[in-house]
Amino acid sequence: AQKVTQAQTEISVVEKEDVTLDCVYETRDTTYYLFWYKQPPSGELVFLIRRNSFDEQNEISGRYSWNFQKSTSSFNFTITASQVVDSAVYFCALSGPNFGNEKLTFGTGTRLTIIP
Amino acid sequence: DAGITQSPRHKVTETGTPVTLRCHQTENHRYMYWYRQDPGHGLRLIHYSYGVKDTDKGEVSDGYSVSRSKTEDFLLTLESATSSQTSVYFCAISGGTSGRNEQFFGPGTRLTVL
Repeated sequence: AQKVTQAQTEISVVEKEDVTLDCVYETRDTTYYLFWYKQPPSGELVFLIRRNSFDEQNEISGRYSWNFQKSTSSFNFTITASQVVDSAVYFCALSGPNFGNEKLTFGTGTRLTIIP
Repeated sequence: DAGITQSPRHKVTETGTPVTLRCHQTENHRYMYWYRQDPGHGLRLIHYSYGVKDTDKGEVSDGYSVSRSKTEDFLLTLESATSSQTSVYFCAISGGTSGRNEQFFGPGTRLTVL
């Protein structure tokens, strides 16, 4: 069975601080995919990133960066120089190897509040 | 953005009544999913479809049924709604021709069962 743990339920930081959201996963698949989604106060789910299990290279997209470490089964998300617009609930998710048929297992989410 | 709509967007109903939620896509994606979102649980998969008339159960399928008679429509039915089914329901799609393979979500339906 797959499992995703986001131990941080809520985080508050002051604007411009850096913040890291933790994600730890469990799976027996050798091929799998990891995702991060953002859910702003408006409620929609916004796709941020997808990473496959064979690609451990860290990724940076503007102020966002992701650190994938297979050795610790973690896929952490860092926001640099946080902004008020980053306030949202962030979900980490995991899927198995079936291309296009990605039944996602979600973590419980981390609510991030950026204080102006 | 992927063309996914859900209807209704909000619904209040009474215990014991049947409810059908509709997901409609204009992207011709093969796979469609229904999730529910509850505090402390994140999103959990209810049912999914891997083609017309091909569906399967997810993690929390009890009390729900689905149907997919056309590629673009995926219906979720609560045969006899209970208060425990009060939730926000999200539809998602994947499997487009772009090969990018990420899952796109609809705007959600907030269902309240009194």
